[in-house]
Amino acid sequence: NAGVMQNPRHLVRRRGQEARLRCSPMKGHSHVYWYRQLPEEGLKFMVYLQKENIIDESGMPKERFSAEFPKEGPSILRIQQVVRGDSAAYFCASSPPAAGGRGDTQYFGPGTRLTVL
Amino acid sequence: AQKVTQAQTEISVVEKEDVTLDCVYETRDTTYYLFWYKQPPSGELVFLIRRNSFDEQNEISGRYSWNFQKSTSSFNFTITASQVVDSAVYFCALSEARTGGFKTIFGAGTRLFVKA
Repeated sequence: NAGVMQNPRHLVRRRGQEARLRCSPMKGHSHVYWYRQLPEEGLKFMVYLQKENIIDESGMPKERFSAEFPKEGPSILRIQQVVRGDSAAYFCASSPPAAGGRGDTQYFGPGTRLTVL
Repeated sequence: AQKVTQAQTEISVVEKEDVTLDCVYETRDTTYYLFWYKQPPSGELVFLIRRNSFDEQNEISGRYSWNFQKSTSSFNFTITASQVVDSAVYFCALSEARTGGFKTIFGAGTRLFVKA
């Protein structure tokens, strides 16, 4: 059973460009979470999605950031018009449906390291 | 409000020493989960343990052990006989049930250096 997959692992963008980060959850997992880790800091929650629904986006910046988890395909975190302050590691995690307590452990992907020049 | 505090920013020990990483949390929920994750220099996040709020039994896994104390809202992590490979950043996290899923808050992490 493959783990959570993220691509690309490293992404370099110039200021003003768009960044698209992809996350494929573990098989059978219906919940996806995105976190951002700034250099030398902990992980900060951004958004929580289920298939075709955004459940909680309270950690997402109001502008330039968006996320989706379509019925088919990976979850996408999109950052438009990137700025240097967006440089960070972006981690995706997935969990199974919250049934019988199994839904509480999040399994993390390897992360995408975004560098904005 | 949810909060996780890891007061130790960095710890440096010599190999074979025991080391305890502290974690204190705040929550108003009665049902919650606590986690420890390891982030080695390669950057990935490795799940170590999950503990639910109704299970205060301490746990031991090899050289790792965890002490959950609800009375003090602490979930401390001890590495016995530390090794150089234990050098990493360790994150404590708190997860509370939300509609259909769980929202997780991470502490700022403790960077552990184990010197040979």
